[in-house]
Amino acid sequence: EGQLVESGGGLVQPGGSLRLSCAASGFTFSNYWMSWVRQAPGKGLEWVANINEVGSAAFYVDSVKGRFTSSRDNAENSLFLQMDNLRADDAAVYYCVGIRFGKVNHWHFDLWGRGTLVTVSS
Amino acid sequence: DIQMTQSPSSLSASVGDRVTITCRASQSCYTSLNWYQQKPGKSPEVLIHATSTLQGGVPSRFSGSGSGTDFILTISSLQPEDSATYYCQQSYTFPITFGQGTRLEIK
Repeated sequence: EGQLVESGGGLVQPGGSLRLSCAASGFTFSNYWMSWVRQAPGKGLEWVANINEVGSAAFYVDSVKGRFTSSRDNAENSLFLQMDNLRADDAAVYYCVGIRFGKVNHWHFDLWGRGTLVTVSS
Repeated sequence: DIQMTQSPSSLSASVGDRVTITCRASQSCYTSLNWYQQKPGKSPEVLIHATSTLQGGVPSRFSGSGSGTDFILTISSLQPEDSATYYCQQSYTFPITFGQGTRLEIK
């Protein structure tokens, strides 16, 4: 069974940077689109980014465009999220999520990690 | 962007009750609509994808219906372990968007 384990969260000052990592195991990582979804404390879910199987295409929510970059290393079964110029409203638990495609034009968030907490504060 | 609005935002129901949660999209997402359950302190889990396809291992008391802009999650006979927050999510177009969540409490 697949597993995703995030790391790299922590406390960072506004304007600072952080790099999140996600280690995948138990499935063929290179076959899967991946995603980052975040959840601010006590709030709902917010999609952050999707990246395709080979890392050649990534899509972002407007609020992080130009500041966050998602990448992957399929040889190392790892997903990354480079977060620059962090703001207070970026504070959240960040989940690494595997995407499963089903019927034509349908996909869903299938495999979730436990998340890593990012706190942005001076 | 497609805005997803769930109703109610919270509800309380008794074991055995039939519960429905509605999700309305600001524009059509056809049948590209998924439902997730999140229990306190846990990661979300998919319940239903593509509007009505039950995820493997999910009890058959959960069902989904709808198309276009209006979708429904139904729990046919509420169980104590169904206490959770439920989210709808459209996967039709970027940016991917979630509903604000419906918190379900067992009386």
